[in-house]
Amino acid sequence: GEDVEQSLFLSVREGDSSVINCTYTDSSSTYLYWYKQEPGAGLQLLTYIFSNMDMKQDQRLTVLLNKKDKHLSLRIADTQTGDSAIYFCAENPGGGNKLTFGTGTQLKVEL
Amino acid sequence: NAGVTQTPKFRVLKTGQSMTLLCAQDMNHEYMYWYRQDPGMGLRLIHYSVGEGTTAKGEVPDGYNVSRLKKQNFLLGLESAAPSQTSVYFCASSETRQTDTQYFGPGTRLTVL
Repeated sequence: GEDVEQSLFLSVREGDSSVINCTYTDSSSTYLYWYKQEPGAGLQLLTYIFSNMDMKQDQRLTVLLNKKDKHLSLRIADTQTGDSAIYFCAENPGGGNKLTFGTGTQLKVEL
Repeated sequence: NAGVTQTPKFRVLKTGQSMTLLCAQDMNHEYMYWYRQDPGMGLRLIHYSVGEGTTAKGEVPDGYNVSRLKKQNFLLGLESAAPSQTSVYFCASSETRQTDTQYFGPGTRLTVL
């Protein structure tokens, strides 16, 4: 089947904005999620957006959703070195409780 | 409140050996999940449980068995380990509602030689 796609790597300078993109697969997914994984740790939920929303803002995080193109993005404003991690998008196909994860984008923040 | 814990943290097995990974959660969550994480492939669901005494297959269930005898525990078993099962295994739990966060454990790194 189709995969949830993300670019593998993103490098930004400290203080700049980061934009991580995701293309998901199931138009019947009701929630789209962004998770963060720091080295040696499990995944931590950053934010989620309901499928009938176009945008959600939470402090430095902005999520944009384009349902027509099944495209999800995460913008991190004023990126800090502590934001260096792997970021996973996820969807809940068919609106259920099971999640399908993307391949992850490794964000590297340089001084 | 420890959240989701996993034991062991690391393990090395020889091909054909068996082992059980233990996941425990103290949040009284109904749903529990086992994932494996491989480089460049994200997380893939192995098995999951929607409540005590119930289990269901996920995306990649072959070679694994699970049990949920107690609500707080979810066990993942490998009866005859293969090198293809070398991976990092994550357990997660959540309430039943779709908006509920899946809380993840710290992972178990398994190497099968």
